[in-house]
Amino acid sequence: AQTVTQSQPEMSVQEAETVTLSCTYDTSESDYYLFWYKQPPSRQMILVIRQEAYKQQNATENRFSVNFQKAAKSFSLKISDSQLGDAAMYFCALNNNDMRFGAGTRLTVKP
Amino acid sequence: GAGVSQSPRYKVAKRGQDVALRCDPISGHVSLFWYQQALGQGPEFLTYFQNEAQLDKSGLPSDRFFAERPEGSVSTLKIQRTQQEDSAVYLCASSLQTAPNSYNEQFFGPGTRLTVL
Repeated sequence: AQTVTQSQPEMSVQEAETVTLSCTYDTSESDYYLFWYKQPPSRQMILVIRQEAYKQQNATENRFSVNFQKAAKSFSLKISDSQLGDAAMYFCALNNNDMRFGAGTRLTVKP
Repeated sequence: GAGVSQSPRYKVAKRGQDVALRCDPISGHVSLFWYQQALGQGPEFLTYFQNEAQLDKSGLPSDRFFAERPEGSVSTLKIQRTQQEDSAVYLCASSLQTAPNSYNEQFFGPGTRLTVL
């Protein structure tokens, strides 16, 4: 069975600071894909960043980067220089034949 | 450009009623997914189409749930004899991918919030 666990229901960060959101997963497959999606309040879910499991290099997208530890089955998201617009629910997801999402982390950004 | 659209955005149904939720994917997207998102939870996979073929319906919670995509574009999720536990946001997503295990991004619609009284 595939599972995705986000152990932080809520996180808070000061504007311009850095925050890391945790995600662990479980799968018996060696080839899979990992995603972080952002869901702003009352708005559509959008992709933040993605990682192929066979790539050791951590993905980066501007202020967003991941720390992918395949052996530990960990896929954390780091947001640098946090902005007010980063406030949202963040979902970690594992794609191997079907997409499995974690329960989400609500990120608050304080001005 | 047009993204994934869903209608209605909100639906209130009395217990026992049938409902139909529509999804218009991005034009040209081969794959279409339905998810159920309960309040305060992440989306849960319901079913997956590749063109008009329903390749995976393992996530449908009961035989009251039925999905179709007859012409490989618009999809409808139908729930018969709705129950209170069916209350949730139903999300549709589409993707260019031709395989379920893929790096391709899924583009999500705004969802339909279903409330069953």
